[in-house]
Amino acid sequence: GNSVTQMEGPVTLSEEAFLTINCTYTATGYPSLFWYVQYPGEGLQLLLKATKADDKGSNKGFEATYRKETTSFHLEKGSVQVSDSAVYFCALRNDAGNMLTFGGGTRLMVKP
Amino acid sequence: DAGITQSPRYKITETGRQVTLMCHQTWSHSYMFWYRQDLGHGLRLIYYSAAADITDKGEVPDGYVVSRSKTENFPLTLESATRSQTSVYFCASAGHEQYFGPGTRLTVT
Repeated sequence: GNSVTQMEGPVTLSEEAFLTINCTYTATGYPSLFWYVQYPGEGLQLLLKATKADDKGSNKGFEATYRKETTSFHLEKGSVQVSDSAVYFCALRNDAGNMLTFGGGTRLMVKP
Repeated sequence: DAGITQSPRYKITETGRQVTLMCHQTWSHSYMFWYRQDLGHGLRLIYYSAAADITDKGEVPDGYVVSRSKTENFPLTLESATRSQTSVYFCASAGHEQYFGPGTRLTVT
């Protein structure tokens, strides 16, 4: 079956530090991969996505590259801000339909 | 307003009571989902629907009932609430991607 594994948090960084949140997956076929962000008290918002191997998704300074050889989709940002403090979820969608499989989420805290 | 809305946003109820959480989307998406979010468990799928009058169980369906008589609405009912159903509930709808509502925080006392 499908599964997504994320690094456990919380991840605590100072403002302007480099961010990496690791995500690896197990899936049959050729899934699409997603990063969602959840700000305090809100629902999940799509941050970025990649639909095939070697695709790079990017948004708001965040990037992630679909690496089929290592089954990974690590989230990176070169310089985090306090406003990036949130919970980040990695997810995959199998070719079979609209079902998402989520990782456990990683809480990011950015200190000024 | 376009988008996906949930009501109520907060609810406190007693054990044994019936509770219905509402979800409404304005995009005419075929797929809709209900998740619960608990510390240590991430997001877990309760039920989903591929179209009006078509629903199916997710990972944790016990104790919940859903219906989908109209494409835009997907209510979730707890027929007899238990303390273990205290959680934050998210509804989502999907076109090319899933879009989430703001959530309902439910406390069962």
